[in-house]
Amino acid sequence: GAVVSQHPSRVICKSGTSVKIECRSLDFQATTMFWYRQFPKQSLMLMATSNEGSKATYEQGVEKDKFLINHASLTLSTLTVTSAHPEDSSFYICSARGELAGYPYNEQFFGPGTRLTVL
Amino acid sequence: EDQVTQSPEALRLQEGESSSLNCSYTVSGLRGLFWYRQDPGKGPEFLFTLYSAGEEKEKERLKATLTKKESFLHITAPKPEDSATYLCAIPNSNSGYALNFGKGTSLLVTP
Repeated sequence: GAVVSQHPSRVICKSGTSVKIECRSLDFQATTMFWYRQFPKQSLMLMATSNEGSKATYEQGVEKDKFLINHASLTLSTLTVTSAHPEDSSFYICSARGELAGYPYNEQFFGPGTRLTVL
Repeated sequence: EDQVTQSPEALRLQEGESSSLNCSYTVSGLRGLFWYRQDPGKGPEFLFTLYSAGEEKEKERLKATLTKKESFLHITAPKPEDSATYLCAIPNSNSGYALNFGKGTSLLVTP
């Protein structure tokens, strides 16, 4: 159990375009999903927290108008990078937290990540 | 302020050479300490959660332990396939259960 998928796994886009990344919990209902960003040789940095049916909470320094997060169902959250620029190139990783038999409630499971390259 | 510090930054071991990775933390009220493994270009893979000092958990060649100030990930007789970055994390006090990650220890096990 505890499978989280992300799509796409890799995307290359031109500067100024928008990119949508999907995060799905496949075998459990995720009451909370988190979006992280990881630059090369660095650790994961939290961007935002989203609860199903609520507005996302963004970390300081993360532009909410640039990184649009939607968590419309208990199994799907999307991150849209609007008007992407080369400095947005990074590895974006989601995680999901929810009730899953055999696991404590606050355990998180991570998706495989999405590599975004903005030209 | 919650902090997680991992050491060493990088570690090179020969196959079969046991060692330990360190994660020291400061937090006001621990709600779990998490260990993950991350392979290049992939998301973190969950290994362990520890909740209280004295707790230990094992999985194959890995054993995680916890004190009030730090956690150790012991690797016994490692194999080349254990090569990865090992991340330690604690829940963020300000963001619900989002995780604050350390910078990780990059482990390379050579044959």
